[in-house]
Amino acid sequence: DAGVIQSPRHEVTEMGQEVTLRCKPISGHNSLFWYRQTMMRGLELLIYFNNNVPIDDSGMPEDRFSAKMPNASFSTLKIQPSEPRDSAVYFCASFSGQAWGETQYFGPGTRLLVL
Amino acid sequence: AQSVAQPEDQVNVAEGNPLTVKCTYSVSGNPYLFWYVQYPNRGLQFLLKYITGDNLVKGSYGFEAEFNKSQTSFHLKKPSALVSDSALYFCAVRDRMDTGRRALTFGSGTRLQVQP
Repeated sequence: DAGVIQSPRHEVTEMGQEVTLRCKPISGHNSLFWYRQTMMRGLELLIYFNNNVPIDDSGMPEDRFSAKMPNASFSTLKIQPSEPRDSAVYFCASFSGQAWGETQYFGPGTRLLVL
Repeated sequence: AQSVAQPEDQVNVAEGNPLTVKCTYSVSGNPYLFWYVQYPNRGLQFLLKYITGDNLVKGSYGFEAEFNKSQTSFHLKKPSALVSDSALYFCAVRDRMDTGRRALTFGSGTRLQVQP
């Protein structure tokens, strides 16, 4: 298996632009997580899905952020409009959910810079 | 509620010496515990986990961790550090009792610096 796939790996945009980050979880995994990592705040859980349904979005910073999972193999995290303080590394992770002891696997991340 | 504490922001150790990265946790029930490592400009990589059974868990790259229920700790150890072990290490927990929460709770991370 190719692991969790994220695209793009790097994104540079200007303030006010829309940004869309993409994630393909490991095949067969039914839970998907979006995290944000910054120096100041560390690793933050933004939202997670179970069987394509958002379960907990309490970590989503504000209405400018939205996430969707239209099917079991694809999720997007959208920021509209983007702001410089959104600059961070965004990670996607997936988990099989077959047993609570199963491992959660991370993608390589998308490094976002908003100018 | 579940939480993880990594009390040290940074650990410095000389190459060849043993290393310990500390982690304590808090859960309502019994924990599943995980260690991840993050190398510069990379994602989090799974190292090892405690599910049940033997309190000493062995993982990748010669790392091991000891589950101590009475001290609610899961410290990461390695007998002999390598310069290439220098990275950011995260401890994480999932509460067996909290079946509604699939997400791991992560600690703040500990930066390990191994000096040649």
